[in-house]
Amino acid sequence: GQNIDQPTEMTATEGAIVQINCTYQTSGFNGLFWYQQHAGEAPTFLSYNVLDGLEEKGRFSSFLSRSKGYSYLLLKELQMKDSASYLCAVRDSNYQLIWGAGTKLIIKP
Amino acid sequence: SAVISQKPSRDICQRGTSLTIQCQVDSQVTMMFWYRQQPGQSLTLIATANQGSEATYESGFVIDKFPISRPNLTFSTLTVSNMSPEDSSIYLCSVGTSEYEQYFGPGTRLTVT
Repeated sequence: GQNIDQPTEMTATEGAIVQINCTYQTSGFNGLFWYQQHAGEAPTFLSYNVLDGLEEKGRFSSFLSRSKGYSYLLLKELQMKDSASYLCAVRDSNYQLIWGAGTKLIIKP
Repeated sequence: SAVISQKPSRDICQRGTSLTIQCQVDSQVTMMFWYRQQPGQSLTLIATANQGSEATYESGFVIDKFPISRPNLTFSTLTVSNMSPEDSSIYLCSVGTSEYEQYFGPGTRLTVT
């Protein structure tokens, strides 16, 4: 079966750095997405990786290793507004998005 | 990007009734999807709304329960039929604007009593 694993919850301190990991086992691979979802709101697109390596976008970076079935989202200079759930999703060989359960990130002052 | 609106934003419905949710996009899009999200859980794809043809449903979802219309490239509706409390959820419309971009509407929060 297809599976995406990410930690359920993480806690970090304002101003610090946090890395949210995502491992996947899917039938084929056509890209990996990270989304941010604040409580009660719709998910918003953060990043897309299809090739191995690091994609940097401001305070957020996303890394992919296809051979290891692994990705991480790196958040720097954490702000209180970064408290949210972070969803990892993989597009499989049928171009279907397979979603992880999400990681709830709690930022403390 | 795409700006997506949904109506209603929330509703409380009685068991056995039906609710139709509307999704409007500010530009023409080929790919349009309907998702469900239970509280504290991730997204579950209900179906892909195809313009001019029947929707493509995921395993566990059927057209009689979740009929979908897609009359043009900017609009779609999802109906939740013969509702039960288990249908209480957030329903999200989503569109794909390119290979790597997918955007979500604000969602419809449905409570069935």
